[in-house]
Amino acid sequence: KQEVTQIPAALSVPEGENLVLNCSFTDSAIYNLQWFRQDPGKGLTSLLLIQSSQREQTSGRLNASLDKSSGRSTLYIAASQPGDSATYLCAAQLNQAGTALIFGKGTTLSVSS
Amino acid sequence: EAQVTQNPRYLITVTGKKLTVTCSQNMNHEYMSWYRQDPGLGLRQIYYSMNVEVTDKGDVPEGYKVSRKEKRNFPLILESPSPNQTSLYFCASSSQMNTEAFFGQGTRLTVV
Repeated sequence: KQEVTQIPAALSVPEGENLVLNCSFTDSAIYNLQWFRQDPGKGLTSLLLIQSSQREQTSGRLNASLDKSSGRSTLYIAASQPGDSATYLCAAQLNQAGTALIFGKGTTLSVSS
Repeated sequence: EAQVTQNPRYLITVTGKKLTVTCSQNMNHEYMSWYRQDPGLGLRQIYYSMNVEVTDKGDVPEGYKVSRKEKRNFPLILESPSPNQTSLYFCASSSQMNTEAFFGQGTRLTVV
């Protein structure tokens, strides 16, 4: 059964620092991996989607990588800002019809000014 | 604006009183699903639908029903809510099963 783990559970950094959030998954037969941001009371916002055939995706200050063979994905945030403070979730989807997104429990990021 | 809309956002109800949480998307997506989020357990899928009149159970379907009579709507029905269904609920949609998923704002349900 696919399991997704995110480490660390919480992270505090000063503004301007570059940081990496980690996501690992146990079943390498994934179809895609998606990173989300969750703000209190505002639901989940999709950040980046990496298809299994891709190695990375970039959007602004965010860069997500995928290494299926090692079962890992990372989300790199450059030049962090206080507005980046949120919980970041990764979710893996298996290559089977009807399968759910399997979520990690998230990393709560706090960026101080 | 492309969005997934859930209603209500907050709901407090009593055990056994039937309720429906609505979900609507304006992106003409085929695939829709419901998740619940609980502390320490993360997000888990309740039900999903691959198209109109096509629904199936997710990982935690007990105590829930869904219907998909129109492409844009996917309501979640709790026929007889119980306190263990107190949770934060999210509706999601995507153009197909394995493409980018868009989530609603969430519905915080408390069953007393």
